[in-house]
Amino acid sequence: HSALTQPASVSGSPGQSITISCTGTSSDVGGYNYVSWYQQHPGEAPKLIIYDVSQRPSGISNRFSGSKSGDTASLAISGLQAEDEADYYCSSYRSSSLYVFGSGTKVTVL
Amino acid sequence: DVQLLESGGGQVQPGGSLRLSCAASGFSFSTHAMFWVRQAPGRGLEWVSLISGSAGTTSYADFVEGRFTISRDNSKNTLYLQMNSLRAEDTAVYFCAKDGRYNGYTYLDYWGQGTLVTVSS
Repeated sequence: HSALTQPASVSGSPGQSITISCTGTSSDVGGYNYVSWYQQHPGEAPKLIIYDVSQRPSGISNRFSGSKSGDTASLAISGLQAEDEADYYCSSYRSSSLYVFGSGTKVTVL
Repeated sequence: DVQLLESGGGQVQPGGSLRLSCAASGFSFSTHAMFWVRQAPGRGLEWVSLISGSAGTTSYADFVEGRFTISRDNSKNTLYLQMNSLRAEDTAVYFCAKDGRYNGYTYLDYWGQGTLVTVSS
């Protein structure tokens, strides 16, 4: 039971937009609309930023948006800011084990 | 406010045991699944185990291999993880987290600050 696949790193300049992909299978990402995304700054606990593919929790900036096509989900960050520099993880419900995380993506603001 | 407070971490020798606890408050504990997630130094998040609100359903990551047991006491609003036969590769910060959906296993809306488990001789 492997993790969902994310790019190891993504970078962008302030003000730009970036996208992070999260690829799974029909048993997880592709089969259910239960993809979520977490932001984690060094030394801190993860923070939920997207749930149910595209829903934002209260208090999360609308610069963060989520989508899904087939077995791949995506997190887009628009108007990149220095505070967005962090690690980002996707996760999904999985029919076998019930839950799985992605491998993680380090976002660097140039 | 929702609060999750882990305890029980520490240093243990390979083959030893530890019991982690997570005291929850600020929400209806018995109606939400709870998770343990770990993060080894410099590594990514790794789901460890989950338990349904009623404790009727549990699930474990493959690497657990029967060594860990998740449980909960809804009368005490507390989640547990009993870890036996610990290995060096179990060294990590262990987070407890709450599922955001009523009786679901879909997203983790609140996390504790984590407790460090170090397995070393």
